[in-house]
Amino acid sequence: DIQMTQSPSSLSASVGDRVIITCRASQNIDIYLNWYQQKPGEAPKLLIYATSNLQSGVPSRFSGRGSGTDFTLTISSLHAEDFGTYYCQESYNTVLFTFGPGTKVDVK
Amino acid sequence: EVQLVESGGGLVQPGKSLRLSCAASGFNFNDYAMHWVRQVPGKGLEWVSGIIWNSASIGYADSVKGRFTISRDDAKNSLYLQMDSLRAEDTALYYCAKDRHSSGSGLDHWGPGTLVTVST
Repeated sequence: DIQMTQSPSSLSASVGDRVIITCRASQNIDIYLNWYQQKPGEAPKLLIYATSNLQSGVPSRFSGRGSGTDFTLTISSLHAEDFGTYYCQESYNTVLFTFGPGTKVDVK
Repeated sequence: EVQLVESGGGLVQPGKSLRLSCAASGFNFNDYAMHWVRQVPGKGLEWVSGIIWNSASIGYADSVKGRFTISRDDAKNSLYLQMDSLRAEDTALYYCAKDRHSSGSGLDHWGPGTLVTVST
């Protein structure tokens, strides 16, 4: 099974800061990596699919890159509403997925 | 507008069974893979099970394999999760989620979830 790790597990940043979250897969997953944002009391929201494709309606300050085993989610300029927990998820196998443990983002 | 509404959660004793349902609307249900994802309150997301558009491929997390069964009824635009031999560690909020594709990809729409509590 594919294992996913994320770093950091949490971070606190100021409005306007550039934030980078890293996700690593235990084996090559090509570009089959997706990112989600979850706010307390809400269902997760898909931000980016297939490593770098922005889901409809997601602000352009969010971007993703990577391939193989190492991936990043970047928030170019943190907004107050970007608080929450961010999860990566691999979709390398058709219906056998794994989520990362999450990165909690606080806005100072 | 895509809508997913889960139902069937509740309090159940260890070893018993429960069947979750997910009613889908606003899209061509039979064109997309569907998934169940769970979350213990205050913890991370755990993918539970997925089924592609034509049910030809189905997957389960190791933690539920052999105990849970996913199925879909395209005529009723519904997704199901039959949960048998429930354990305390199955206690979680269970989400139904729509895949972006007919087979596995990102999960672009989620329901609000249904809470399952396994306890005596």
